[in-house]
Amino acid sequence: QLQLQELGPGLVKPSETLSLTCNVSGVSVNNNVYYWGWVRQPPGQGLEWIAALYYSGNTYYSPSLKSRVTIAADTSKNQISLTLTSVTAADTAVYYCASLRVRTFHLWGPGTMVTVSS
Amino acid sequence: QSALTQPASVSGSPGQSITISCSGTNSDIGSYNLVSWYQQHPGKAPKVIIYDVTKRPSGVSDRFSGSKSGNTASLTISGLQAEDEADYYCCSYAGSRVLYVFGTGTKVTVL
Repeated sequence: QLQLQELGPGLVKPSETLSLTCNVSGVSVNNNVYYWGWVRQPPGQGLEWIAALYYSGNTYYSPSLKSRVTIAADTSKNQISLTLTSVTAADTAVYYCASLRVRTFHLWGPGTMVTVSS
Repeated sequence: QSALTQPASVSGSPGQSITISCSGTNSDIGSYNLVSWYQQHPGKAPKVIIYDVTKRPSGVSDRFSGSKSGNTASLTISGLQAEDEADYYCCSYAGSRVLYVFGTGTKVTVL
């Protein structure tokens, strides 16, 4: 049974780099059925798609975040990672890892709250 | 790419039917039959309830149904129940450059 669990630092200082990981269990991250994505939700606001990693290895990013974000897979740890550079208070949000199937966010992790503050 | 437009709130009495609209453009909803809907209870992760415009995942109540006309998608909840009180988000595939666009979200209140 596929399960996802995000891990993050909780608090990040402005201008620093945010690193998140998503532990994937129940399926290999390099399977050819699911692919992977990150979505975030600022407090009291809506959902925003950040990035996607296809099983082909192709990566896709939101145009508004493309210059600062990287998604990658670590097959040895069965994890998906997200790196966001030069963070500001506007990056404060709950960050969700999700599996994608047929262009649908099929299953979501519980999310991890990240606050950007000095 | 702008977010898809949804009404901020919709309410109804138990047993009634309500419909949530999701307005996009011919670059997203209008071009692809790849609209999904997500239900989010407070403090919880979203859960998919409709995908590919009209399909329901296994285990999702048939009280939830989806449709699309032109650049607008809709989610209908029939036989409204207290447990349906939540936030609902639409999402559309938007092509190889943007990939995914979410809606602004709708808070459903059961009166």
